[in-house]
Amino acid sequence: SAVISQKPSRDICQRGTSLTIQCQVDSQVTMMFWYRQQPGQSLTLIATANQGSEATYESGFVIDKFPISRPNLTFSTLTVSNMSPEDSSIYLCSVVGGNSYEQYFGPGTRLTVT
Amino acid sequence: KQEVTQIPAALSVPEGENLVLNCSFTDSAIYNLQWFRQDPGKGLTSLLLIQSSQREQTSGRLNASLDKSSGRSTLYIAASQPGDSATYLCAVRQASGTYKYIFGTGTRLKVLA
Repeated sequence: SAVISQKPSRDICQRGTSLTIQCQVDSQVTMMFWYRQQPGQSLTLIATANQGSEATYESGFVIDKFPISRPNLTFSTLTVSNMSPEDSSIYLCSVVGGNSYEQYFGPGTRLTVT
Repeated sequence: KQEVTQIPAALSVPEGENLVLNCSFTDSAIYNLQWFRQDPGKGLTSLLLIQSSQREQTSGRLNASLDKSSGRSTLYIAASQPGDSATYLCAVRQASGTYKYIFGTGTRLKVLA
């Protein structure tokens, strides 16, 4: 299994500012994803973080709002730009790996925008 | 478009009871299905992964079954304990070559001491 860490674990931010969330994996993985979980809701996929190329965004999510970097096979960042209260969510990094392609999640970053 | 639904949305049971959580999906062409547990404000912990060719998987007091043709999976928890209280999520991965998972709506479980 993969061990995933995220920084920060939580933050309270002002409207209009940006926050960068880091995701570190203890082993090299091909597939890395970013999810959003709004209060009381299930998980929604934001994008697939591709190593060495632009991320692949899901419908409703754009690069200007959620720029993603993936410089290598163990690290990725997600930036939430020009934040509004509607961006208050838990942001989760996940990887798919192993022979069975099981999905593993980081502990999440709880973001509150005031 | 794949849709994943979990019933019930919330469940409260006394300690020691055996219980079943349900997960339904609309497109039976899946690669695998995974059950997760999420504690409040936390990330997800993987419980069981069932490949499309399998009928069930077991881990301790947990047993997950898969009926791909009918678009259903169940998670059976035996002898429930207060520590089992959490939200349980199922997620399916399509067999179309993607590694993306589609998540269900979740079941909030509370086990009363």
